[in-house]
Amino acid sequence: EVHLVESGGGLFQPGGSLRLSCGASGFTVNSYYMAWVRQPPGKGLEWVSSAYGSGTTSYANSVKGRFTISTDIPKNTLYLHMRSLRADDTAVYFCARGIQDSGGYDLGLDSWGQGILVTVSS
Amino acid sequence: DIQMTQSPASLSASVGDRVSITCRASQTIGNYLSWYQQKSGKAPELLIYGASSRQSGVPSRFSGSVSGTDFTLTITSLQPDDIATYYCHQSYTAPCTFGQGTKLEI
Repeated sequence: EVHLVESGGGLFQPGGSLRLSCGASGFTVNSYYMAWVRQPPGKGLEWVSSAYGSGTTSYANSVKGRFTISTDIPKNTLYLHMRSLRADDTAVYFCARGIQDSGGYDLGLDSWGQGILVTVSS
Repeated sequence: DIQMTQSPASLSASVGDRVSITCRASQTIGNYLSWYQQKSGKAPELLIYGASSRQSGVPSRFSGSVSGTDFTLTITSLQPDDIATYYCHQSYTAPCTFGQGTKLEI
């Protein structure tokens, strides 16, 4: 059974940094693409970043240069390194597993973690 | 960046009704559009991928269709368990984008 568990959230100061972790079980993270999606309180979903087994990564414009996505294959874990935190980074952060078609195009996110709250406030 | 315009923002319907939610892409995205259901306080769940393929375990009353850059999620015979917010998501190219969401009430 596929299982994703996020950790590392909490209350952080503006300008600070943190690392979110997403432990995976039931599959290997380098066999799928992995993504982070966030949801500010009371608002909609926002894609943050994706990582592929090839090593390719992509980011939303709002986090480019501040956030870094990575994977640890032996630990089967996805990370999101977040720095230069801003108040508008406050959100529940979900990690998700992606599925692709035979051409390597992304089809969607078929498994999600329960989410972890990150609050940026002084 | 590709914009996804989702409508309506909210929808009220009765049990047994047929409802439709639409997403329009600002440019061509092929069939790289998925739909998600998010119940209050929970993580989203994948309903439809590739514009019209139903995810395993999703009831057959959920279906997806596409016409050009217009994508539609249809729920036939609405059930009380379908109370949720629904989102579309384009994964054709980064930055990937979600629609604004449709809150469905019964």
